[in-house]
Amino acid sequence: NAGVTQTPKFQVLKTGQSMTLQCAQDMNHEYMSWYRQDPGMGLRLIHYSVGAGITDQGEVPNGYNVSRSTTEDFPLRLLSAAPSQTSVYFCASSYRGYLAEAFFGQGTRLTVV
Amino acid sequence: QQQVKQSPQSLIVQKGGISIINCAYENTAFDYFPWYQQFPGKGPALLIAIRPDVSEKKEGRFTISFNKSAKQFSLHIMDSQPGDSATYFCAASIKAAGNKLTFGGGTRVLVKP
Repeated sequence: NAGVTQTPKFQVLKTGQSMTLQCAQDMNHEYMSWYRQDPGMGLRLIHYSVGAGITDQGEVPNGYNVSRSTTEDFPLRLLSAAPSQTSVYFCASSYRGYLAEAFFGQGTRLTVV
Repeated sequence: QQQVKQSPQSLIVQKGGISIINCAYENTAFDYFPWYQQFPGKGPALLIAIRPDVSEKKEGRFTISFNKSAKQFSLHIMDSQPGDSATYFCAASIKAAGNKLTFGGGTRVLVKP
């Protein structure tokens, strides 16, 4: 039972490069979301999706794009990496219902130099 | 503007002692208050959660106390064990807004043997 799988686990990018962080879940969850974790700031929502074909912005969406063509996958694209995007990124998924538990992946540690 | 404020940022407790973490929120529309536990190198995992119509919830050694009028909630870890050493995040969400989680800044707990 894989749960939420994120790839890669680690990545170093040069300023201006683009890349895609992958996220896949095998629990048939409707909701998926991306958070970034920075020291002292908790986790902040970047983008989320309530179902295939539906996405919306979170608290810190600038510099990131998402799409959701299937229920299982929710990739996060960095368009032109900046040092301020150095962070640990977490993907999460949950059922649609009230009080639904969010399941997190193991995270991707991204460094932009 | 941080909608959920968490304190302290870190705490050290002796084995067998009580760990107390406090959170305060601004948005009265929040209707779900979970706590997540995160070990180094891992994603957060749901520890315990409470609804605003309940003043206290206990699961094993972990208890949430909720004060709706003060817009505050807290986590108590009784008989703290070295295995409880982790970072704890309080969070809040609104069902009508897709259960998107707003996190506090996190508390790093170290339990000394």
